Amino acid sequence: EDQVTQSPEALRLQEGESSSLNCSYTVSGLRGLFWYRQDPGKGPEFLFTLYSAGEEKEKERLKATLTKKESFLHITAPKPEDSATYLCAVLNDYKLSFGAGTTVTVRA
Amino acid sequence: NAGVMQNPRHLVRRRGQEARLRCSPMKGHSHVYWYRQLPEEGLKFMVYLQKENIIDESGMPKERFSAEFPKEGPSILRIQQVVRGDSAAYFCASSPTRDQPQHFGDGTRLSIL
Repeated sequence: EDQVTQSPEALRLQEGESSSLNCSYTVSGLRGLFWYRQDPGKGPEFLFTLYSAGEEKEKERLKATLTKKESFLHITAPKPEDSATYLCAVLNDYKLSFGAGTTVTVRA
Repeated sequence: NAGVMQNPRHLVRRRGQEARLRCSPMKGHSHVYWYRQLPEEGLKFMVYLQKENIIDESGMPKERFSAEFPKEGPSILRIQQVVRGDSAAYFCASSPTRDQPQHFGDGTRLSIL
């Protein structure tokens, strides 16, 4: 069975304080690793797809990287509007298996 | 471009009643997925449908739950004879092909009295 583990569970940052979120995974046939952002009361919002080890994607203050066993989401100089729960998911065939998420709080 | 539309956003039912959750996928998306998020748990896959076909319902409880995606109209997730344990947020996602990113709606929050 596919397993996705995210750490830490929660992260409190000062505005401008860069940090990284970890997603480790075990999957029989990885067809992609996805990062989503979820705000309270909303659905997950797609951020990135990574398909192969060594791949990197960037969007504003966020950068996602992938190795054979884990992915990192780096947040550079975060702002309060980056506060959210960040979800990692692996695609096996057509099913997404999600981690429990990392809740990031950025204080001004 | 409209995103994935789900309604209702909130649904309250008494034990034993039926709940019907609707999902209209993004324009051009023919692949629909339903996920459930229980309190304090992650999102779990329930069912994958294409137009008029259920492809995989392995994540859906075998009793009381059913899903459809008719040729015309939204996808429907139906829960019969609801119980307290059905209280959760139900999310629908859609994609243009099964390999491309799934885009989610804002969910239906089901509460059982």
